[in-house]
Amino acid sequence: DSGVTQTPKHLITATGQRVTLRCSPRSGDLSVYWYQQSLDQGLQFLIQYYNGEERAKGNILERFSAQQFPDLHSELNLSSLELGDSALYFCASRAEGVYGYTFGSGTRLTVV
Amino acid sequence: AQTVTQSQPEMSVQEAETVTLSCTYDTSESDYYLFWYKQPPSRQMILVIRQEAYKQQNATENRFSVNFQKAAKSFSLKISDSQLGDAAMYFCAYRSASFTDKLIFGTGTRLQVFP
Repeated sequence: DSGVTQTPKHLITATGQRVTLRCSPRSGDLSVYWYQQSLDQGLQFLIQYYNGEERAKGNILERFSAQQFPDLHSELNLSSLELGDSALYFCASRAEGVYGYTFGSGTRLTVV
Repeated sequence: AQTVTQSQPEMSVQEAETVTLSCTYDTSESDYYLFWYKQPPSRQMILVIRQEAYKQQNATENRFSVNFQKAAKSFSLKISDSQLGDAAMYFCAYRSASFTDKLIFGTGTRLQVFP
């Protein structure tokens, strides 16, 4: 167990639907990062939050949004889902003053 | 913008032998960090080794070591005494030391280990 918890582990949904992925960072880690890994692809950075504030945005679609709550957990919302959104979605967290990242085990999203 | 390139989509090695995975990156920054992550079939992302750009000494973690060539912007991973459990996807990643500290990943190298 890395200390970063992602739920659910697997999600199957239909096109056009909306889903929410949840991430609980390691205790005390203020930074949360979301990444998308499509089949046989590298990891693409989506968005970063730091202590509740959005800090950086990557190639995140307008249909996707995220937030970080006061207890530091984060949610990634994916709406109007398309087949191409099927991927593994990772959350990672990082402690202040530490340059390494801890990844969760990911949420595998399948859009049918 | 920074980019990370892994030019070897697949590599293979015999058990107990040594293999080197290549990674090059492009950046105009002088201060940054580099990482190698392992992704086994379980899909978990596992940190293998990391290197600070300001350190000239190459990082080593047990059987894993890097060859960091800052001027050449090269960061290769050497795995010695390869084991069956080393079979996985390996991703090279870059992180700026600036305010924007996201990881930028290469496309990965799939390592097969044969007995």
